[in-house]
Formats: sequence, C-alpha cells, structure tokens
Amino acid sequence: DTEVTQTPKHLVMGMTNKKSLKCEQHMGHRAMYWYKQKAKKPPELMFVYSYEKLSINESVPSRFSPECPNSSLLNLHLHALQPEDSALYLCASSHLSPRVSDSPLHFGNGTRLTVT
Amino acid sequence: GQQVMQIPQYQHVQEGEDFTTYCNSSTTLSNIQWYKQRPGGHPVFLIQLVKSGEVKKQKRLTFQFGEAKKNSSLHITATQTTDVGTYFCAGRSGNQFYFGTGTSLTVIP
Repeated sequence: DTEVTQTPKHLVMGMTNKKSLKCEQHMGHRAMYWYKQKAKKPPELMFVYSYEKLSINESVPSRFSPECPNSSLLNLHLHALQPEDSALYLCASSHLSPRVSDSPLHFGNGTRLTVT
Repeated sequence: GQQVMQIPQYQHVQEGEDFTTYCNSSTTLSNIQWYKQRPGGHPVFLIQLVKSGEVKKQKRLTFQFGEAKKNSSLHITATQTTDVGTYFCAGRSGNQFYFGTGTSLTVIP
C-alpha cells in the first residue's frame, strides 16, 4: 500500500481523446513529480512541482500538461497522445530537502495507460 | 550525458543463494538511493547513502557507497522468494536526479 493515491489504475484512450490522471497525497510533501515508466525500464522524470509551482519540465511534449491545484493534488492532462505514449505513469511526492541528502520519493501505484 | 548503469540487467538465483547488483555513475554523486519495484508494483524506497565509503545494513541487505561516490552496490544474503523484483539505484549529480537502469532479480524456489 502507498500513501500516494493515483486514479485511475488503468486507462485506455484513443489518440483523439482528452483524459486526466490524478494524484493525491496527504503527507505534507511540497514536492510532487510525474514519472513515465516503460516495461523493463527505469522511471523517467517528466515534471517536478515545488510549492505548487512547476520547477522542472524534462522537455516533455505539450500533449502532456501538468497541473498542481494545491499542495496535495497533482494532475496530468492528456490530449492527442500517440501509441508510443502507452506506459505506466507514476506520481511521486517528497519533502523538499538540501540536495546533498534527497528526501525519499514516495510513489503511487501508477496509472497504466494504453493509447490505441 | 549523465548515465547510471546497473549490472547485471537480469539475475536468476536459487533460493538461499546470495545476490549483488552494482550501480555505476559516469559522474560523482552527492547521494545514492535504492528502490525496489515488485512485479506489477511501484518503486519503494529502501535506503539512502550520503557519505563516501558508507555501508548500511537492513537485515539481509547490505548497501555500500564507493569511496569516489561514483558507484554503489546492494548485496542480499540468502535470497528468499520475497526478494523478487527490480532493484533501482538513483543518485543526484548537481541538479539532476537519475535512476539507474535496474537489475531484475528472479528467485527460484
């Protein structure tokens, strides 16, 4: 079990659909992340929010649009995705900390996305 | 660019055998974290090492951070079927935090 909740668990969408992934945490973490993970690969960082502001965008295509409505919620809006975007999308949160010692990432169970 | 490589990519062991995964970075890391991801699950934080040459133990798991802070290892003594999963190292170099390529462990009962 995890204290980071992601919905939905599974999502199948067509290339013309618009959908949103949701993530919620109540651990008081002020950093929230979106990662993308393909099968048998490590998680790849997409976005980082610090204090509800976007601090890192790892050159992610604009068909992925993040949103952080408040310190507990993180959304990822999806539009006009491609089949190669099919993957496990993981949300994570952490405390903000000095870089020499990073706070552990707490991951949600992920949303398994299939784009048809 | 920055790469954090892990070897081996896959490892099959008989239950009770030991297992080691190695994590190597092309640049010096300020810290190293280890995560375990069970099949169908999400990465779960295991431990963080910060100091050069640091060694930490968690029951049957031993974690080491190299003297040059460019490599790390995770050793599991007497593996059990519950150890099955993919083990990722993750480290920070400057502004970037990178996950290693992962080692997938299969334990044969």
